[in-house]
Amino acid sequence: DAKTTQPTSMDCAEGRAANLPCNHSTISGNEYVYWYRQIHSQGPQYIIHGLKNNETNEMASLIITEDRKSSTLILPHATLRDTAVYYCIVFLAGGSARQLTFGSGTQLTVLP
Amino acid sequence: EAGVTQFPSHSVIEKGQTVTLRCDPISGHDNLYWYRRVMGKEIKFLLHFVKESKQDESGMPNNRFLAERTGGTYSTLKVQPAELEDSGVYFCASSQLAGGFTGELFFGEGSRLTVL
Repeated sequence: DAKTTQPTSMDCAEGRAANLPCNHSTISGNEYVYWYRQIHSQGPQYIIHGLKNNETNEMASLIITEDRKSSTLILPHATLRDTAVYYCIVFLAGGSARQLTFGSGTQLTVLP
Repeated sequence: EAGVTQFPSHSVIEKGQTVTLRCDPISGHDNLYWYRRVMGKEIKFLLHFVKESKQDESGMPNNRFLAERTGGTYSTLKVQPAELEDSGVYFCASSQLAGGFTGELFFGEGSRLTVL
């Protein structure tokens, strides 16, 4: 059973905020939410992760609902280079690498 | 600082031949991982080294795959003999050991393997 559910694809206008949703209704208390992305023909790239609180770094912001059953990755000013597949991953703290399962992700297309 | 590097970027071989993929992790990273995406499927974990030791090889598909990391630096993944279903992109990733596995991995560009 998939731990996360993401839309298959989304479009966003260049310069606007891209909001990528993820449902993880069965998340447990010590599981983190991680986001990676894969730009075409490149390896996956770590973006951000969080447990309960909202997080922000130079790439994006992560908003986690209070019940932790869903989250949203926000790219504040999307550029054409942000076109990629975005993966939302639920991961147990202290877990193993095999638990980092990428799923199908959301294909984000940033339009000029 | 150099990232994770993989070689070759693309390899085309005949069924039954042998291929060896190489990964150089980020300097100082004790954790090294192999993942792969076979055609039309999701990225899947293969194995995890901590320094030169195999921490977890539960994702290795069968005994035609052999991974090594002699000396705890670079790693090789050999496929012998290669089969058609082995075609895909093989990704290597690394991370620091301190603090245990955190889920924050640095991936290479991948090695695309095509078996004809």
